[in-house]
Amino acid sequence: DAGVTQSPTHLIKTRGQQVTLRCSPKSGHDTVSWYQQALGQGPQFIFQYYEEEERQRGNFPDRFSGHQFPNYSSELNVNALLLGDSALYLCASTPRRGWNTEAFFGQGTRLTVV
Amino acid sequence: DQQVKQNSPSLSVQEGRISILNCDYTNSMFDYFLWYKKYPAEGPTFLISISSIKDKNEDGRFTVFLNKSAKHLSLHIVPSQPGDSAVYFCAASFQGGSEKLVFGKGTKLTVNP
Repeated sequence: DAGVTQSPTHLIKTRGQQVTLRCSPKSGHDTVSWYQQALGQGPQFIFQYYEEEERQRGNFPDRFSGHQFPNYSSELNVNALLLGDSALYLCASTPRRGWNTEAFFGQGTRLTVV
Repeated sequence: DQQVKQNSPSLSVQEGRISILNCDYTNSMFDYFLWYKKYPAEGPTFLISISSIKDKNEDGRFTVFLNKSAKHLSLHIVPSQPGDSAVYFCAASFQGGSEKLVFGKGTKLTVNP
């Protein structure tokens, strides 16, 4: 079982550019959530996808958008990048019908905006 | 408004002794609590969890205690080992963990040989 895989692991972008991050969930999981972890902070919830739809959203602007594919993999898109978007972006997967079950995290994508 | 708080940014203990990490929360609707461990350049790794209907859960060297009236939980590691050195995050959720996780800022644990 490969667990949750994310790509790329590191990325450097320029202010104003757009970026796409990718995530494949753990086998048997159909729900994907994205988190942003700034330096010295805990992960902050961005949004959650299930059945190819955004089900929950945290306090992030519309520049952050996502997509889930029929195979449950997911993308996070960020438009008009700001310096403050520099962070570790984490993907987590869970089984939707799970109860009292933990989320599994990928290793993250380190995004640096210059 | 920070709903989950870890007030100690760091903790240092000697190998073999007990490590106690604390976490407070404000939202009484949370029904599932988790602890994650994170090494640099890696994603968080699940450690142990507890449902709001329980007050204690054990897994080997790790025990989590939940005090709902105080809205407080703690993670005990006994005995502590140098390999336990990492950042520990407390997280809370609704609907048994199927909804978003709300994380604290983390506590960096250092276990000295």
